[in-house]
Amino acid sequence: DAGVTQSPTHLIKTRGQHVTLRCSPISGHKSVSWYQQVLGQGPQFIFQYYEKEERGRGNFPDRFSARQFPNYSSELNVNALLLGDSALYLCASSATTGAMDTQYFGPGTRLTVL
Amino acid sequence: QKEVEQDPGPLSVPEGAIVSLNCTYSNSAFQYFMWYRQYSRKGPELLMYTYSSGNKEDGRFTAQVDKSSKYISLFIRDSQPSDSATYLCASTPGSGNTGKLIFGQGTTLQVKP
Repeated sequence: DAGVTQSPTHLIKTRGQHVTLRCSPISGHKSVSWYQQVLGQGPQFIFQYYEKEERGRGNFPDRFSARQFPNYSSELNVNALLLGDSALYLCASSATTGAMDTQYFGPGTRLTVL
Repeated sequence: QKEVEQDPGPLSVPEGAIVSLNCTYSNSAFQYFMWYRQYSRKGPELLMYTYSSGNKEDGRFTAQVDKSSKYISLFIRDSQPSDSATYLCASTPGSGNTGKLIFGQGTTLQVKP
């Protein structure tokens, strides 16, 4: 069975541009979470979606937005990119939103903002 | 103060050594504790998952939680070069929570042959 997949693998953008990152969860999982991992740091929670509804939001500016589609895949959008947005963006899927549900991470999308 | 604190290391040990990795946390509401392993340029993979206080063992790995001191530990016995990775502790509150994980900074471990 396929794990969490993310696309693209790598991305290079310039300041001020917009970026869209994509995630497909494990089959049967209805919850998708997004995390930002800056080099040398642990992942930081950005969003969680369940059944197409936002269930949680981390301390990130409004430039960050996300959505979940009927097939449970998800997109993370970042507008007006800043140099500080350079990071590994991780998507995690779980069966539900319960704290006891294991979150399985994808390989991430490495975003470089120049 | 970060909710989960972890010494970033790096930690270098010889093959076969016992490794001790530690985290502290500040939020008394945290009920679930995890250890993830992350290889370079990969996503984190779940190693151990514990609820509340106590020990949990899985092969060469033992996770320990002491809620009275807000201390989380991971022990690796008979360490192998393939254990070289970054180890992330994470925690989350219990009921009513969205499942948001709060991660430590990660400790980089190198096991030398």
